[in-house]
Amino acid sequence: GDSVTQMEGPVTLSEEAFLTINCTYTATGYPSLFWYVQYPGEGLQLLLKATKADDKGSNKGFEATYRKETTSFHLEKGSVQVSDSAVYFCALQLSSGSARQLTFGSGTQLTVLP
Amino acid sequence: GAGVSQSPSNKVTEKGKDVELRCDPISGHTALYWYRQRLGQGLEFLIYFQGNSAPDKSGLPSDRFSAERTGESVSTLTIQRTQQEDSAVYLCASSLARERARTFGSGTRLTVV
Repeated sequence: GDSVTQMEGPVTLSEEAFLTINCTYTATGYPSLFWYVQYPGEGLQLLLKATKADDKGSNKGFEATYRKETTSFHLEKGSVQVSDSAVYFCALQLSSGSARQLTFGSGTQLTVLP
Repeated sequence: GAGVSQSPSNKVTEKGKDVELRCDPISGHTALYWYRQRLGQGLEFLIYFQGNSAPDKSGLPSDRFSAERTGESVSTLTIQRTQQEDSAVYLCASSLARERARTFGSGTRLTVV
């Protein structure tokens, strides 16, 4: 079945460090890929998305490129801030089908220290 | 409202009691979803409502779980005879019918003691 695998957390970085959170997927068909972020005490928010191979999603300094050959969608940011501390979820959705076909990874807790 | 609103934000209940969780979706969003997030685990899909169509209940873990939605407005998720393994954050999301990305509420943290 479809699945999303994220690097295990927690991840702790110093401010201005480079961030990578790995995400790989398995899917039948051609999924759209998403990164969601959950800040402390808040709901999930869409961070960025990519709908086809080689697309790059970007927002708030975060980027992720849809790599079909490696089935990956790694999240990167060149210089993290304390305010980036949150839980990050990678997700995929097939281009057709039911609501259930939005599949989330287990989430990666990021803590950025000043 | 501007976002998806869930209540209560926190609920502590005794094992065996029934609980009811509420979700107010964004006005105009015809699709509504319930998810469960257990500690250290990913989101689990529970149930999906789309307009007046029959809901997709395929993610409900047992018959103790049920959900209702009145038209395109408020939804309630009911858990009967709660068990400790029901402890989790229950997240609601809504979306316009054809959009793939969902707007999530801040969740209800349920603790069964």
